[in-house]
Amino acid sequence: EDKVVQSPLSLVVHEGDTVTLNCSYEVTNFRSLLWYKQEKKAPTFLFMLTSSGIEKKSGRLSSILDKKELFSILNITATQTGDSAVYLCAVPRNYQLIWGAGTKLIIKP
Amino acid sequence: GAGVSQSPSNKVTEKGKDVELRCDPISGHTALYWYRQSLGQGLEFLIYFQGNSAPDKSGLPSDRFSAERTGGSVSTLTIQRTQQEDSAVYLCASSPPGQGALSGNTIYFGEGSWLTVV
Repeated sequence: EDKVVQSPLSLVVHEGDTVTLNCSYEVTNFRSLLWYKQEKKAPTFLFMLTSSGIEKKSGRLSSILDKKELFSILNITATQTGDSAVYLCAVPRNYQLIWGAGTKLIIKP
Repeated sequence: GAGVSQSPSNKVTEKGKDVELRCDPISGHTALYWYRQSLGQGLEFLIYFQGNSAPDKSGLPSDRFSAERTGGSVSTLTIQRTQQEDSAVYLCASSPPGQGALSGNTIYFGEGSWLTVV
């Protein structure tokens, strides 16, 4: 059965810390992996990763994919309270997305 | 519209009642998805529309759930005889022709409908 597993399920850190969120997957015909940030209700797109070892970067956020070991990590450096959210990982399968349960990140001032 | 619009944003209903959740996708988007997210859980796929047809309804959790889409635009998700386990956020998303799940940045989510069954 296809699955996407995220860890940790929740994480509490202080402002300024660096965090690493993990996403492992087992999905047939894998093509890409997506990261989303969910505040309140609607997920917003962060990154799409298709190739191993190529880092995607946006400001303080970066992500990388390892297709041999079947996982991805999302790094956030110099965290801010506005980074508090649920971070979701998803893998497309045909026309739908297989979602992980998410990592709830809380940044304390 | 400018974004995916869902209504109601919040709904409290009594167990056993029927509810209708509405999704108005972005104009021109042919693909429409319904997801459900229970508290502390990831998103659960419910149904996908391409135009007015639903190639895959396998995600619907029971025969109490149904969905339709008319005019290639607005979609309605109906839950009959609601149960407490139906309580969740119901998210709708849409994507343009030729894109969608394989291009994650072209899937646009609505703000969701929070359903509470008491």
